[in-house]
Amino acid sequence: DAKTTQPNSMESNEEEPVHLPCNHSTISGTDYIHWYRQLPSQGPEYVIHGLTSNVNNRMASLAIAEDRKSSTLILHRATLRDAAVYYCILTPRSGSARQLTFGSGTQLTVLP
Amino acid sequence: DAGVIQSPRHEVTEMGQEVTLRCKPISGHDYLFWYRQTMMRGLELLIYFNNNVPIDDSGMPEDRFSAKMPNASFSTLKIQPSEPRDSAVYFCASSPDRGRLGYTFGSGTRLTVV
Repeated sequence: DAKTTQPNSMESNEEEPVHLPCNHSTISGTDYIHWYRQLPSQGPEYVIHGLTSNVNNRMASLAIAEDRKSSTLILHRATLRDAAVYYCILTPRSGSARQLTFGSGTQLTVLP
Repeated sequence: DAGVIQSPRHEVTEMGQEVTLRCKPISGHDYLFWYRQTMMRGLELLIYFNNNVPIDDSGMPEDRFSAKMPNASFSTLKIQPSEPRDSAVYFCASSPDRGRLGYTFGSGTRLTVV
């Protein structure tokens, strides 16, 4: 199964942009890249996903490298409510849902 | 849309007792997933259903664990008998597909077995 590598923790100042990196060098051509976040005492929350092109939604932007071996989740203006664990996950287009596995994620701390 | 609804939010039980966790998925979502989260092991997929049928239960830790989905709007995860090492947060999630379009998670049930 393709795996992802993320830094254990990152810090950001409030109202500044945050770039959360993810490496997935063994990604296959049909794997989607998903990002979830988990706020304290809550379930994981879907943030964004993409396949090849960069994606934007109201929560964040996803920048995907041309070779797809890495991606970056971009929070344009971090707020205190963005403090959470961020998971980068690869989802196969076909096959078992068991292949969608959560790693340890990146703990984002937002400083006021 | 009320999202994925789990009950109870918290459960404290004595070792050896039966515990039943409940989940109501989002209407129209054909896939339902049960996860367990602990500090040591992170988020683990226990079992998932498609159209109420269990597809993969290889993550269920022991025969003490069982899950059912009698209809499209309800699922249960049962532990009998419970043990202290079962203490964890149990999440239910649903999706309109295998997860390619994203999962919606419930708020979880925090289980403590004493």
